[in-house]
Amino acid sequence: GIQVEQSPPDLILQEGANSTLRCNFSDSVNNLQWFHQNPWGQLINLFYIPSGTKQNGRLSATTVATERYSLLYISSSQTTDSGVYFCAVDNYGQNFVFGPGTRLSVLP
Amino acid sequence: DAGITQSPRYKITETGRQVTLMCHQTWSHSYMFWYRQDLGHGLRLIYYSAAADITDKGEVPDGYVVSRSKTENFPLTLESATRSQTSVYFCASSTGRAGELFFGEGSRLTVL
Repeated sequence: GIQVEQSPPDLILQEGANSTLRCNFSDSVNNLQWFHQNPWGQLINLFYIPSGTKQNGRLSATTVATERYSLLYISSSQTTDSGVYFCAVDNYGQNFVFGPGTRLSVLP
Repeated sequence: DAGITQSPRYKITETGRQVTLMCHQTWSHSYMFWYRQDLGHGLRLIYYSAAADITDKGEVPDGYVVSRSKTENFPLTLESATRSQTSVYFCASSTGRAGELFFGEGSRLTVL
């Protein structure tokens, strides 16, 4: 089946810093989603982005499906951005497969 | 807008007992999913349903039973709970198999 890798596994930032999280996948994908799991365990939708670029406030995402990766950009990070960021990919007819996540800690 | 709700949020049970986790969505999404989240394994699909009375296995279905008599409900039953089923369980829904997933708040189950 499709393999999904995320990097870095852990990231520590000072408040106000910018960061880039990466999701690599081993095969063609039909769809891709980014989620934020906050410290209380809730999984929050960030982007549904099979290709192209989307922006939502301080967050933006780019998926280059032909090169099998997606990037999540967080600008001017805040302590509320802390948590785990997951990408999930759909491999044409298979169900979504989740990556292992990137754990982000934003320090005040 | 209630969205997708799970109950109970926390449950402690004993080995061998039957446990049912409930999931209810108000969006009329056709697809519903059950995932479990464990340290070291991430999120894994247990079962999913494309519509009422249509269910199918995911990656880790053993020990679980699902049903979907109504579009809005998708209960997950552990017929005889084992310690290895201690986990956080998430229900999700979407408009299609690869549509945007929306998750419930999770149910933390501990099997003693």
